[in-house]
Amino acid sequence: QAQLQGSGPGLVKPSETLSLTCSVSGVSFSDYYWNWIRQSPGKGLEWIGHIYSSGRAYYIPSLESRLTMSIDTSKNQFSLRLTSVTAADTAVYYCGRLDVWDKGTTVIVSA
Amino acid sequence: DIQMTQSPSSLSASVGDRVTITCRASQGIRIDLAWYQQKPGKAPERLIYAASSLQSGVPSRFSGSGFGTEFTLTISSLQPEDVATYYCLQHNTYPWTFGLGTKVEIK
Repeated sequence: QAQLQGSGPGLVKPSETLSLTCSVSGVSFSDYYWNWIRQSPGKGLEWIGHIYSSGRAYYIPSLESRLTMSIDTSKNQFSLRLTSVTAADTAVYYCGRLDVWDKGTTVIVSA
Repeated sequence: DIQMTQSPSSLSASVGDRVTITCRASQGIRIDLAWYQQKPGKAPERLIYAASSLQSGVPSRFSGSGFGTEFTLTISSLQPEDVATYYCLQHNTYPWTFGLGTKVEIK
């Protein structure tokens, strides 16, 4: 069955860049949209974007100027890069398809 | 953006009760809607896809219905393990959007 594992630093300084990677195994990597969602402390879920196996991506407009997603089909990995982070970017970040998600990566933005 | 208005925001019901949660979309989304269950500290798990299809492995007491702008998630007989927050997600129009969630508790 599908296994997804997100990874990245748990602490990022304000104004710096957040980078997360999601490793996928047990399922076909091609021909799917690979998504990122996040959940700020005590808040609901927010879909922030996805990338297709071809490399085509869509980002939520409020993050579009700071967000880049990439994909490496040879490694079955996809990644998120968010620049100029602020405390508002503190959240648990989940990666996955709509039917399966990783356990989440907690990211805290703090000096 | 399509707004997903989810109601109620919270509910308390007894074990065995029938529970219904509603999501209204601000514009038509056909059946491009999923329902998720999220327990504290855990990742969301999909219960329903395409508005009414039951995800494999999900108990049959969960069901979904709707088309266009109005959708419901029903738990036919609430169980203690169903305590969670439930979210709807529309994936018809960018940006995809979640409802604000419904917190379900046992009375």
